[in-house]
Amino acid sequence: DGGITQSPKYLFRKEGQNVTLSCEQNLNHDAMYWYRQDPGQGLRLIYYSQIVNDFQKGDIAEGYSVSREKKESFPLTVTSAQKNPTAFYLCASTRSGGAHEQYFGPGTRLTVT
Amino acid sequence: AQSVTQPDIHITVSEGASLELRCNYSYGATPYLFWYVQSPGQGLQLLLKYFSGDTLVQGIKGFEAEFKRSQSSFNLRKPSVHWSDAAEYFCVTYSGGYQKVTFGIGTKLQVIP
Repeated sequence: DGGITQSPKYLFRKEGQNVTLSCEQNLNHDAMYWYRQDPGQGLRLIYYSQIVNDFQKGDIAEGYSVSREKKESFPLTVTSAQKNPTAFYLCASTRSGGAHEQYFGPGTRLTVT
Repeated sequence: AQSVTQPDIHITVSEGASLELRCNYSYGATPYLFWYVQSPGQGLQLLLKYFSGDTLVQGIKGFEAEFKRSQSSFNLRKPSVHWSDAAEYFCVTYSGGYQKVTFGIGTKLQVIP
């Protein structure tokens, strides 16, 4: 079955450490996205990528970095510069063109103490 | 700038009762409109979408939504709610371009016996 996988489901880190969240899709989608979800704030876009080796900052990119070396993979690194990294992170993908129906992964809950 | 308003943050309904979740959007033209559902700790799943044509759209799990241009609304409805419908519901608009996806803040639905 096609879909998006995110790993791990839960992640714990100490403050000051960088951490990388995995996102893989086998839907053959060109575009991929990272969102952050906090209670009462909906979803906020961190980064998106339309094609391999290209990505753009979203609304809240500070303290995050991404790479897109393969079509299937779009890992997100939460750096020590991110002031409030504890959140639920969602990865999504869409077909190129079309009307932007997004397919979501199951999410990773990151806790930094 | 486009915006999406979900005026009800929390709604409680009895099992078997009807449901209507409100969504209003602000955009010069008619955007593409979506409703997604999110179970606790999970990713988002598409319930239904509206692009054009018939203003009453049917989705999965017995949900439907009606687009009303005059009211800039896209309310989600279900005639009889089941306990498994307890989740958070997001209204989403897309108006072109990879950064033009806007999420509402979400409505959390509680279903009581």
